[in-house]
Amino acid sequence: DAGITQSPRHKVTETGTPVTLRCHQTENHRYMYWYRQDPGHGLRLIHYSYGVKDTDKGEVSDGYSVSRSKTEDFLLTLESATSSQTSVYFCAGGQGAGTEAFFGQGTRLTVV
Amino acid sequence: RKEVEQDPGPFNVPEGATVAFNCTYSNSASQSFFWYRQDCRKEPKLLMSVYSSGNEDGRFTAQLNRASQYISLLIRDSKLSDSATYLCVVRSQGNLIFGKGTKLSVKP
Repeated sequence: DAGITQSPRHKVTETGTPVTLRCHQTENHRYMYWYRQDPGHGLRLIHYSYGVKDTDKGEVSDGYSVSRSKTEDFLLTLESATSSQTSVYFCAGGQGAGTEAFFGQGTRLTVV
Repeated sequence: RKEVEQDPGPFNVPEGATVAFNCTYSNSASQSFFWYRQDCRKEPKLLMSVYSSGNEDGRFTAQLNRASQYISLLIRDSKLSDSATYLCVVRSQGNLIFGKGTKLSVKP
C-alpha cells in the first residue's frame, strides 16, 4: 500500500545500540501498529497507537518503545538491540475497530 | 491454545484445482475476520473480509461460523499466481491477531 512507507528498508546494527524505525502514512489512519514477523511465529503485535500520543503494548513489547507525536508518523525504538530482535518489522495502519489494516513494505533488521 | 490457528501446509495443488483453508479462533467475542495474502518477502495484503452470511469475490469464497469459531477460504480454479501464504486474521479486543499462515503452491 503506497500510503504507508517504512524507513529504513534494511538495517544492520550492533548489539547494544539503539535503533529507531520509522513509519509514515498519508491515509489519515487513526490506528497504527508495529508487528514483527519471524519463522514459526507469524506476525506478532509489538505496540499500537489509537491516536496521537495514545499508545499501548502488544504481545511482544519488551525491549521496544514507540512514539506518535503526529497522526502521520509512528516510530518504533529498540532501546538496546539484541540478536533476538533480528526480524522483519511491519508497520500497519487502519481506522480501528471492525476494520482491516494496511501494511507498509517492511524493514529487515539484523542485529549482529 | 493459540488465539488463531491454521494448518501450516504446504498445500501443493495443480492448476485448476479447488483448495480450502481452515482457521479456528479462541475468543468468542472476536469482532471481525479477514483473509490476507502474503507473497514471499512481501507485506501482507488484504484479500477479503469475512462476513457472517459468507461472501464471494470471483474465485474466492469466505465463510464464517461463529458458533464453531471457524473461518474458511475456498479458492476455485487455482492459478499459478495464487501461490502465496494465506493468513487468517481476527480482530479481538481492538487488535488484529494473525494466524501463522497456510502456504499454497500451485503447480502447472
